[in-house]
Amino acid sequence: DAGVTQSPTHLIKTRGQQVTLRCSPKSGHDTVSWYQQALGQGPQFIFQYYEEEERQRGNFPDRFSGHQFPNYSSELNVNALLLGDSALYLCASSGRTGATNTIYFGEGSWLTVV
Amino acid sequence: AQSVTQPDIHITVSEGASLELRCNYSYGATPYLFWYVQSPGQGLQLLLKYFSGDTLVQGIKGFEAEFKRSQSSFNLRKPSVHWSDAAEYFCAVGGGATNKLIFGTGTLLAVQP
Repeated sequence: DAGVTQSPTHLIKTRGQQVTLRCSPKSGHDTVSWYQQALGQGPQFIFQYYEEEERQRGNFPDRFSGHQFPNYSSELNVNALLLGDSALYLCASSGRTGATNTIYFGEGSWLTVV
Repeated sequence: AQSVTQPDIHITVSEGASLELRCNYSYGATPYLFWYVQSPGQGLQLLLKYFSGDTLVQGIKGFEAEFKRSQSSFNLRKPSVHWSDAAEYFCAVGGGATNKLIFGTGTLLAVQP
């Protein structure tokens, strides 16, 4: 049973460019959340997708957008990259709504903006 | 405001010694509490979780945590630390229908031989 998978593992982008990160949730999970973890910090909630809709959003600008596909996989898009967007981006998946569902994290995508 | 505080940024213990990592939370509703571990360059692995019931919860790798509502705390403990426990540990609080987690800033654990 595959867990949460993310791609790419590492990438380097130039300031002003756009990036797309991808996530496949754990089998049987239908809810995907994205977190940003800056160096030396805890993960910060970006947004969550359920039934192909953004259900909740953290305190991130509109440059951060996402999508969820019918197979529950998800993409995170960041436009007009800034140096401060350099971070580990973590995808988390969980089952049907309800806080008692265990949340599983992927290995993350390391983004460096130069 | 919802928040998690991990007062200790960095802790060093000797192998075989006991360990306690502190976590305090602020949450308006009934909190659901989690401890995750992150090895260098890796994602987050769930150690244990508390939703309700017995306030002492057991997790993987010999870890346990105790929920104390009166102190708004959820401290992580291990009776005997192994060198492989060296990693960063994150406490998180969540709740409600959306499973959004709020994380602390983490505690980096170093283990001396």
